[in-house]
Amino acid sequence: GAGVSQSPSNKVTEKGKDVELRCDPISGHTALYWYRQSLGQGLEFLIYFQGNSAPDKSGLPSDRFSAERTGGSVSTLTIQRTQQEDSAVYLCASSPYGTDYGYTFGSGTRLTVV
Amino acid sequence: AQKVTQAQTEISVVEKEDVTLDCVYETRDTTYYLFWYKQPPSGELVFLIRRNSFDEQNEISGRYSWNFQKSTSSFNFTITASQVVDSAVYFCALSGNNAGNMLTFGGGTRLMVKP
Repeated sequence: GAGVSQSPSNKVTEKGKDVELRCDPISGHTALYWYRQSLGQGLEFLIYFQGNSAPDKSGLPSDRFSAERTGGSVSTLTIQRTQQEDSAVYLCASSPYGTDYGYTFGSGTRLTVV
Repeated sequence: AQKVTQAQTEISVVEKEDVTLDCVYETRDTTYYLFWYKQPPSGELVFLIRRNSFDEQNEISGRYSWNFQKSTSSFNFTITASQVVDSAVYFCALSGNNAGNMLTFGGGTRLMVKP
């Protein structure tokens, strides 16, 4: 597609439920990133995928968070047993090669845990 | 470890004023990249500029200009003759060779341009 697409745009879930957030990167972009932005805060790195290499999971805040990228394209971020502190905007970005190019960000998924 | 500091959390100016957003970074990498992003109220992050650490030339794009000074580890962003549409949160970010592929963001500066 023309840009990075994320779905859903908004998600309200009950504490303790699992959620899945989807990211569809720009076609041909080999690098895909997930970031989290809490209300009024900066962006926190979560996970990075580059081609077929093992992902860099160093930013995942707990083992309740996981992500996968199927076929080198679409990525799903899963949060198990959601907590209220998981409420944030989850942003996905893709780039053609990695760090030396500007990343293109999606519009994000606003997650609210009640 | 990488770190980006944007000391100004919020700036308010009147339309047509010039404004400079400060960014100071820390990295041990010899090669690194610096970025500025704009986040308007709609929420989407808009890429503005990428600068390689070997290129210290200042850059101008319309009303935007960037001043990169390695000696002070700063990458400041100036908007000339600000407009209401410039109102947004601006993020400075850094990535480097030895920090994986993580793009480290500063805390952002909220710019409010009043008519």
